[in-house]
Amino acid sequence: SQQGEEDPQALSIQEGENATMNCSYKTSINNLQWYRQNSGRGLVHLILIRSNEREKHSGRLRVTLDTSKKSSSLLITASRAADTASYFCAYGPQEGGGADGLTFGKGTHLIIQP
Amino acid sequence: NAGVMQNPRHLVRRRGQEARLRCSPMKGHSHVYWYRQLPEEGLKFMVYLQKENIIDESGMPKERFSAEFPKEGPSILRIQQVVRGDSAAYFCASSPLPGTGGEKLFFGSGTQLSVL
Repeated sequence: SQQGEEDPQALSIQEGENATMNCSYKTSINNLQWYRQNSGRGLVHLILIRSNEREKHSGRLRVTLDTSKKSSSLLITASRAADTASYFCAYGPQEGGGADGLTFGKGTHLIIQP
Repeated sequence: NAGVMQNPRHLVRRRGQEARLRCSPMKGHSHVYWYRQLPEEGLKFMVYLQKENIIDESGMPKERFSAEFPKEGPSILRIQQVVRGDSAAYFCASSPLPGTGGEKLFFGSGTQLSVL
């Protein structure tokens, strides 16, 4: 399977703490993205990092990418109850290789305790 | 600018019936993707379509499943003779750009298919 893997599978922290989720993948990629899914809803795009980038920030989000280790991390700082959701990494292939759809990991279920 | 619209939101079918899931992409988007999600699982790619063309159906089961994206109207994911194992959430996503670069996708709220 080419599916990515997130860890941990589930994470429960106190409001205000930082949450870190990791993603590993197996193929060469063009970019890696993170999405959030609230229960029973569709996925919402959070951030995209290209294969030639190492770190990217967006508000309280920080994403890193290590193509040599085929891994990425998503850090959410100063977590809020509204951050409770499942978080998925997704990646696309380098041009000319693999399926045209994004490949998604299995997700990390994040619970923020008030 | 309305988002990706999927209907119905919930669909209940008995074994052997047909299920038709509809997806209207965002305005201006000509690239549509269908994904299936089982409980506690990530999304599994099924098919990628452009207007009137199937570009990549490598994730589609060989039998009973078909998809189309006609020149006019929504994209349709069709499942014939449904079985209990087809029960899942089916998500549609659209993009204004071709998928070869793994571009950002805009997702609908999904159709939850339940097969009795």
